Amino acid sequence: SAVISQKPSRDICQRGTSLTIQCQVDSQVTMMFWYRQQPGQSLTLIATANQGSEATYESGFVIDKFPISRPNLTFSTLTVSNMSPEDSSIYLCSVGKAGNEQFFGPGTRLTVL
Amino acid sequence: GENVEQHPSTLSVQEGDSAVIKCTYSDSASNYFPWYKQELGKGPQLIIDIRSNVGEKKDQRIAVTLNKTAKHFSLHITETQPEDSAVYFCAARSFGNEKLTFGTGTRLTIIP
Repeated sequence: SAVISQKPSRDICQRGTSLTIQCQVDSQVTMMFWYRQQPGQSLTLIATANQGSEATYESGFVIDKFPISRPNLTFSTLTVSNMSPEDSSIYLCSVGKAGNEQFFGPGTRLTVL
Repeated sequence: GENVEQHPSTLSVQEGDSAVIKCTYSDSASNYFPWYKQELGKGPQLIIDIRSNVGEKKDQRIAVTLNKTAKHFSLHITETQPEDSAVYFCAARSFGNEKLTFGTGTRLTIIP
């Protein structure tokens, strides 16, 4: 398995502001993903973070709203831009090696007022 | 694309009894099926998985069965304990596609 940390673990933000979430893994991984989990709901994939190139976004998610960086094989950031109360969710980083298991970080609990 | 349905949405079981959660998938090309347990305030934890070349896999009190013909797979927890209380998610993934598609989750409550 992989040890995954996320920062911050939780935050309360004002609408219109932006928050950057960091994901750090203890070993090099091929795949890094960002998910959103709205209260009481399942996990929805936002995008796949690609090392050295632009992230691949799922339908309904756009780069302007959720810019992602992945400078190396152990680190990625997700920014939630121009936030509104509808962005209140848990944001989860997930990692894996191609064809193998995926593991999740502890999540970042975001509340937008 | 893949669609995964999960039932039931909630399940209450007396401590010591067994619990079964079922998922169906739509894409016959799916070949990897993990199960995650999510406790309150934590990220999902991988508890068991199965690949399409295997019909059943067991790890202590937890087992997963796969029926490729019917396109469904199930999680079985025996001798349930209070610490089994959590939300459980099934997922499916197709060969060559690294994205997981998740079920809607089952909230399992173990009654002492």
